[in-house]
Amino acid sequence: GEDVEQSLFLSVREGDSSVINCTYTDSSSTYLYWYKQEPGAGLQLLTYIFSNMDMKQDQRLTVLLNKKDKHLSLRIADTQTGDSAIYFCAVPLTGGYQKVTFGTGTKLQVIP
Amino acid sequence: NAGVTQTPKFRILKIGQSMTLQCTQDMNHNYMYWYRQDPGMGLKLIYYSVGAGITDKGEVPNGYNVSRSTTEDFPLRLELAAPSQTSVYFCASSSRETREVTYEQYFGPGTRLTVT
Repeated sequence: GEDVEQSLFLSVREGDSSVINCTYTDSSSTYLYWYKQEPGAGLQLLTYIFSNMDMKQDQRLTVLLNKKDKHLSLRIADTQTGDSAIYFCAVPLTGGYQKVTFGTGTKLQVIP
Repeated sequence: NAGVTQTPKFRILKIGQSMTLQCTQDMNHNYMYWYRQDPGMGLKLIYYSVGAGITDKGEVPNGYNVSRSTTEDFPLRLELAAPSQTSVYFCASSSRETREVTYEQYFGPGTRLTVT
């Protein structure tokens, strides 16, 4: 099966940039996703990247994809206290997009 | 649209008791999923369904059962609750035609279950 790894915790100061990293094992994925989970809530899609792209920018969010190294990252510019949450990368399983494997999640703590 | 709704929000069970976690979506999505979330472990897929009448096991199905008699509803059944089933349970749904993103999953708010 797919293995998707993330570091568990990241702490940054308000206004700094945050970089959350993810590594995966299956190279056949087409879409790769980032989900955000706020305290006490379910996950919500934050952004995504198609596998033929190296980079995608969406306002304060930048997604970088290195397919050779199977490495995905999410950069949040000018991190705000409202960005405090758990961030999950998600990679579709081989042969179908309807199932994904979620990473372990990275808890982002923003210090005022 | 209410999206994905789950009931109850919280539940405490004694070992050996049974219960059903309810999940309903009003987006006419064909795919539905049950996950459990344990600290530091991410989300593990318990069961999923690709349409009414069709279900399949995920990564951690032992101790659980599901049914999908309608497009809208996907209940999760725990027959003999065990302390290892203490977790937060999330239901999700998706569709091929969800915005421009294939198979984006929409999540319910979760059910926090404690088995003692």
